[in-house]
Amino acid sequence: EVQLVQSGAEVKKPGESLKISCKGSGYRFSNYWIGWVRQTPGKGLEWMGIIYPGDSDTRYNPSFQGQVTISADTSISTAYLQWTNLRASDTAMYYCARSRVIDSWGQGTLVTVSS
Amino acid sequence: QLVVTQSPSASAPLGASVNVTCTVSSGHSNYAIAWHQQQPEKGPRYLMKVNSDGSHTKGDGIPDRFSASSSGAERYLIISSLQSDDEADYYCQTWGSATPYFFGSGTKVTVL
Repeated sequence: EVQLVQSGAEVKKPGESLKISCKGSGYRFSNYWIGWVRQTPGKGLEWMGIIYPGDSDTRYNPSFQGQVTISADTSISTAYLQWTNLRASDTAMYYCARSRVIDSWGQGTLVTVSS
Repeated sequence: QLVVTQSPSASAPLGASVNVTCTVSSGHSNYAIAWHQQQPEKGPRYLMKVNSDGSHTKGDGIPDRFSASSSGAERYLIISSLQSDDEADYYCQTWGSATPYFFGSGTKVTVL
């Protein structure tokens, strides 16, 4: 069974850094794209970026380019989404998703940024 | 430019059927899409992939009440025998070479 398991909820202050994770299991992690999707309260789904773990090919939504970093570690089948300077506007639910034709979702990680 | 468009809402009585429509922009009518369900306070769930010829591939455990079809640039999600827990937002999603994920704005399905 394909599963994506994300790290737990985070509460941070503006200016802090954060790295959340998404661990894949039940399939060959290196061979499938992993994307990150943001959802703010009451809003729709917004793609942030995507990575192919096999060769680390990474694409970013221009709206998020430079604001976040996406990476992956194939040795532990885990993808990451990282911030170095959090803002209150980064408060949202973040989902990882498998493949360009999304066929599996993580359960979501709630990130709250507040002073 | 690749865009997917959804109507904001759809409704039908309990036990009836409802169609949710996703329209792929002009020049991209051969694109496949995926449907995702998001129930209130839950994360998205993959339902199925729908090809331009109407063939579709469902995710694991998706009931037979969920099916799909296509006509030109339109991709349809068909929910029959509506149940109360089908009340949800339904998103279509496609992909392009430059922009891997395009999401529709979502259709809120209400069971009357």
